[in-house]
Amino acid sequence: SYLVTQSPSVSVAPGETATITCGGNNIGSKGVHWYQQKPGQAPVLVISYDSDRPSGIPERFSGSNSGNTATLTISGVEDGDEADYYCQLWSGGSDHVVFGGGTKLTVL
Amino acid sequence: QVQLQESGPGLVKPSGTLSLTCAVSGYSITSGYYWGWIRQSPGKGLECLATISHTGSTYDNPSLKSRVTISVDTSKNQFSLELNSVTAADTAVYYCARNEFGVGYFDLWGRGTLVTVSS
Repeated sequence: SYLVTQSPSVSVAPGETATITCGGNNIGSKGVHWYQQKPGQAPVLVISYDSDRPSGIPERFSGSNSGNTATLTISGVEDGDEADYYCQLWSGGSDHVVFGGGTKLTVL
Repeated sequence: QVQLQESGPGLVKPSGTLSLTCAVSGYSITSGYYWGWIRQSPGKGLECLATISHTGSTYDNPSLKSRVTISVDTSKNQFSLELNSVTAADTAVYYCARNEFGVGYFDLWGRGTLVTVSS
């Protein structure tokens, strides 16, 4: 099955830019989705298909995907962005949905 | 607006069967999309168990396929999960969610329900 890797944690100061990555073999050829999950809450879709932002998601959230790395970028980080972030994709064929292990974003 | 609500026992005995139902309101299941179950063990990441369309087409997680049954009841606008032969490792928060086409993104989620496997 397809494996994806995420760094366990990222820390940034308010107003700075947070970069969260999702690594996988030739992941750039696959559509990657990103979720934000705050403690005690269900995940929320923040980016679909690498860079599409669902309605209601601030423009501060953006995404890209190329080569072996997909990236979620949060510009002008706010205290309320502190959460776990998960990437998700379908590697194709007979494989099922795959989630990354999650990255905890801490706002300093 | 569209809402999903999980329901079912919060405690299941080892070797028993975990059964959950997700009621969908504000949207008819027969109008499209797939519907699925995702779980999250305490302090862990997310794992998709299975998804199903209103016609009964399914995508199943190979690692759990032999233990998982997903079904849909269009007359009640709900879908269900059964996981048999449960162990403590199946203790988790179980979410139901709407999926784009079965293995796409999940755009709407229920609030989740904690199921504990214990005697």
